[in-house]
Amino acid sequence: AQTVTQSQPEMSVQEAETVTLSCTYDTSESNYYLFWYKQPPSRQMILVIRQEAYKQQNATENRFSVNFQKAAKSFSLKISDSQLGDTAMYFCAFMKQTGANNLFFGTGTRLTVIP
Amino acid sequence: DAGVIQSPRHEVTEMGQEVTLRCKPISGHNSLFWYRQTMMRGLELLIYFNNNVPIDDSGMPEDRFSAKMPNASFSTLKIQPSEPRDSAVYFCASSLQGSYNEQFFGPGTRLTVL
Repeated sequence: AQTVTQSQPEMSVQEAETVTLSCTYDTSESNYYLFWYKQPPSRQMILVIRQEAYKQQNATENRFSVNFQKAAKSFSLKISDSQLGDTAMYFCAFMKQTGANNLFFGTGTRLTVIP
Repeated sequence: DAGVIQSPRHEVTEMGQEVTLRCKPISGHNSLFWYRQTMMRGLELLIYFNNNVPIDDSGMPEDRFSAKMPNASFSTLKIQPSEPRDSAVYFCASSLQGSYNEQFFGPGTRLTVL
């Protein structure tokens, strides 16, 4: 079974500063995908960034980047130059590459960007 | 593209009533997922379909829950009879099986059972 753990229920960051959200996971799979989803107050689930486990290079999307440590089963999200619109719940998620392609979610981190 | 469409956006009902949630996936997608979000359990998979066929329904809480996908453009999640503990946000998501498997989520249905 796959499990995803987010150990930070809540975090805050000053506008324009950098924040890192933690995520660890447990799996026996060799190939898989990892995702970070953002859920603002509108409750819409929005994909922020994804990482293929077979790629050593960390994914980057504008101000968002990840630190993927496969051996440690760690997948943290770094948000640079935080903006007020980044205030949301952030969910880390895991998906197997083959077979069942549903998402396994962590419990989420509530991020507040302070003006 | 209109994205994944869910209806209704909000549903308030009384215990014992039947509730039907609806989902229209993105055209061309062949996988559809129903997730439930609660404070206690977070986001959890209820059931998913590939090519309109239910693949894994192990997350369906009990026999009161049922899901159908009669065609590639429509799915329903039914709760009969509903109970207060079913109160949650229900998300539908769709994807095209492939190298990225990105799932696109609908806006969710907030269900309140009184």
